Amino acid sequence: KQEVTQIPAALSVPEGENLVLNCSFTDSAIYNLQWFRQDPGKGLTSLLLIQSSQREQTSGRLNASLDKSSGRSTLYIAASQPGDSATYLCAVSGTASKLTFGTGTRLQVTL
Amino acid sequence: SQTIHQWPATLVQPVGSPLSLECTVEGTSNPNLYWYRQAAGRGLQLLFYSVGIGQISSEVPQNLSASRPQDRQFILSSKKLLLSDSGFYLCAWSFWSSAGPGANYGYTFGSGTRLTVV
Repeated sequence: KQEVTQIPAALSVPEGENLVLNCSFTDSAIYNLQWFRQDPGKGLTSLLLIQSSQREQTSGRLNASLDKSSGRSTLYIAASQPGDSATYLCAVSGTASKLTFGTGTRLQVTL
Repeated sequence: SQTIHQWPATLVQPVGSPLSLECTVEGTSNPNLYWYRQAAGRGLQLLFYSVGIGQISSEVPQNLSASRPQDRQFILSSKKLLLSDSGFYLCAWSFWSSAGPGANYGYTFGSGTRLTVV
């Protein structure tokens, strides 16, 4: 059974800092990994999708890497802003035809 | 472009009452559709998924059921709500790729329905 872990569970940083969120998964037989953002009381917004054949994806200040063999992914956020405050979720997609989610990292960026 | 709609956004229902949550997708055909639940302080749990009209797979035994009467419509129902049914319900869609069983092009989620059973 696939298990996804996210570290840290919560993070508070001052504005402008670069930060890294970590995601690990136990079964490396995945098709892709997706990073989502969830604002309080809202749905999930897809940030980045990395297919298993890819090593990284970039969108603006966000960069996500994938090391499938070691079961790890990182989400790098450059020059953090207060608007980046949210919960960040990673999810992997395998042969079970469903997404398995981590429990998330709650990020707060302070002024 | 594809969009996904969920309604209502919030719902407060008494224990024992029925439930119907609706999800529709626009701008695409024959998507895979999913219902997830996010309980307070917990992660996201897959409840049901559908690969076509009338085809429903249930992930966990529960007090809920799902139906797909039309290609782009997915409905989550209950005949009698329990307190434990409270949570945040999210609908999602995806497309499978040819890379293998379960391979896909990513998931897109709706804005969710906050259900409180009192």
